[in-house]
Amino acid sequence: GENVEQHPSTLSVQEGDSAVIKCTYSDSASNYFPWYKQELGKRPQLIIDIRSNVGEKKDQRIAVTLNKTAKHFSLHITETQPEDSAVYFCAAAFNNDMRFGAGTRLTVKP
Amino acid sequence: DAGITQSPRHKVTETGTPVTLRCHQTENHRYMYWYRQDPGHGLRLIHYSYGVKDTDKGEVSDGYSVSRSKTEDFLLTLESATSSQTSVYFCAISTGELNTEAFFGQGTRLTVV
Repeated sequence: GENVEQHPSTLSVQEGDSAVIKCTYSDSASNYFPWYKQELGKRPQLIIDIRSNVGEKKDQRIAVTLNKTAKHFSLHITETQPEDSAVYFCAAAFNNDMRFGAGTRLTVKP
Repeated sequence: DAGITQSPRHKVTETGTPVTLRCHQTENHRYMYWYRQDPGHGLRLIHYSYGVKDTDKGEVSDGYSVSRSKTEDFLLTLESATSSQTSVYFCAISTGELNTEAFFGQGTRLTVV
């Protein structure tokens, strides 16, 4: 089955700086890559996703890049704000299999 | 919230007892999922459903069963709860195809003592 590794496990940045979280996956058949944000005690929320036929996708301050050859994808958050502090999860999916990374705890310091 | 409601939100149960968690959706989505979330493991799929009475196993299905007798309800049963099943359980639906565009319920915190 698919295996997803996520780095770093914790990330601390200053407000206004950029944050980058990286994931690698093992199954070259994976074709859908979502990112979730989970605040403490809340449900995971889908913030952005990308499919394998696209190399990059942006939504305001967040962007995701995908390198299918290297089997890795990244989440980029620019101009970070304290409300971006949360745990972020990546995932990789193909048909009946979706696997999540272990998560990155992002702290944005005011 | 994609119209997903989980019940109960919290439960404490004893080892060896059966437990059923309910997921209810109001928007007629075809695909529904049960995940468990544990520290250091992210989210792991237990079972999923692709229609009424159509279910399949996920990554960590041992000790769990599911049923979907109506489109709107997806039940997760722990046949004989063990302490290793202490976890936070999330139900999810897909607004797109299988394993895409998944939206999660509020979660159920289950403690097995």
